[in-house]
Amino acid sequence: NAGVMQNPRHLVRRRGQEARLRCSPMKGHSHVYWYRQLPEEGLKFMVYLQKENIIDESGMPKERFSAEFPKEGPSILRIQQVVRGDSAAYFCASSPPVGSDGYTFGSGTRLTVV
Amino acid sequence: GEDVEQSLFLSVREGDSSVINCTYTDSSSTYLYWYKQEPGAGLQLLTYIFSNMDMKQDQRLTVLLNKKDKHLSLRIADTQTGDSAIYFCAESKSGGYNKLIFGAGTRLAVHP
Repeated sequence: NAGVMQNPRHLVRRRGQEARLRCSPMKGHSHVYWYRQLPEEGLKFMVYLQKENIIDESGMPKERFSAEFPKEGPSILRIQQVVRGDSAAYFCASSPPVGSDGYTFGSGTRLTVV
Repeated sequence: GEDVEQSLFLSVREGDSSVINCTYTDSSSTYLYWYKQEPGAGLQLLTYIFSNMDMKQDQRLTVLLNKKDKHLSLRIADTQTGDSAIYFCAESKSGGYNKLIFGAGTRLAVHP
């Protein structure tokens, strides 16, 4: 049973380009969460999704950021027109519909904007 | 309000016990978690405690919760060099399917 798979592991984008980060949850997990970790900081919640639904996007910047979790395929975090301040590690986590065991995190995508 | 605070650094000698502390402000939190992050890696769930418990032990790990003071600690017995990592405390209101609020992490350095 593979864990939460994120790709790519490292992504370099020039300012103004688009970044697409992918997350495949663990088998049987229908809830996906995205977090951002700035250098030397803790993780900050961005968005919580279920299949085809955004449940809580209170941590998403109002512009340039979007997320989806389609019926088929991975969850995608999309950042348009990236700026240097978007450089961070982006972690995806998944959980089953019920339970108290916390999330399972992926290894993250490290985005560098040059 | 939602705020989780941790001290930033802890240095211990190999074989000693490490105690990492965390304070939180949201008294409605139902679960509290400890995660470990090694360099360049994701977060690994170490242990968690439900808010109606005051202690949980799992091999070398002991979690203590003082709900009155909103204070959580993680004790690692017989600390090894492989325990060197960043340890994050996190709180959640309703279990694993709600957003987690993380502290900034405590960097544990284990020296011979």
